[in-house]
Amino acid sequence: KAGVTQTPRYLIKTRGQQVTLSCSPISGHRSVSWYQQTPGQGLQFLFEYFSETQRNKGNFPGRFSGRQFSNSRSEMNVSTLELGDSALYLCASSSAGRRGGKNNEQFFGPGTRLTVL
Amino acid sequence: QQQVKQSPQSLIVQKGGISIINCAYENTAFDYFPWYQQFPGKGPALLIAIRPDVSEKKEGRFTISFNKSAKQFSLHIMDSQPGDSATYFCAASGKGSSNTGKLIFGQGTTLQVKP
Repeated sequence: KAGVTQTPRYLIKTRGQQVTLSCSPISGHRSVSWYQQTPGQGLQFLFEYFSETQRNKGNFPGRFSGRQFSNSRSEMNVSTLELGDSALYLCASSSAGRRGGKNNEQFFGPGTRLTVL
Repeated sequence: QQQVKQSPQSLIVQKGGISIINCAYENTAFDYFPWYQQFPGKGPALLIAIRPDVSEKKEGRFTISFNKSAKQFSLHIMDSQPGDSATYFCAASGKGSSNTGKLIFGQGTTLQVKP
């Protein structure tokens, strides 16, 4: 099976702009989680989607949003970019089911490196 | 209560030695504890994971030891190789809708294995 893919791999934006990142999960996986990785804060959970519905959300401002499509592909959007949004954005997919609960293995993509100038 | 504390921050080991990384947690609702390995420019790769109903799990040179009463778990890398040089993250997750799809990560340990 192909792994998790993320596009683009690198992005450079300026403050105030918005950005959309894309993630294609492993075939058959319906759960997609997003994380932000920075040297200072480490890996932090943004949100998780299952069957086009956001099931869980981390402690990030409303500028961070996401969605999931019927084919399980997911996008995340960051509006009004700030310098502090510079990070590696990772998505992970798992075979977790509708009831969630018991956590299954999460498999990560290579990430999108976002630089905000 | 949602934190996972990882130590040491960095570790240097000679080739053939044992690398040991430790993690501690507070939330007794956590029931899944994976370890990830990350190389520069790559996403984290799942190495090995454990649930609290067992005290040890071994896969090849990698072993997780789990102490439920102490709320600690550790990764042991036996016969460490230069190719193991990477950053290692422990993580934890719990049951319930508020934990769905959410891994809480330790701060990471940068391992360098010297030839």
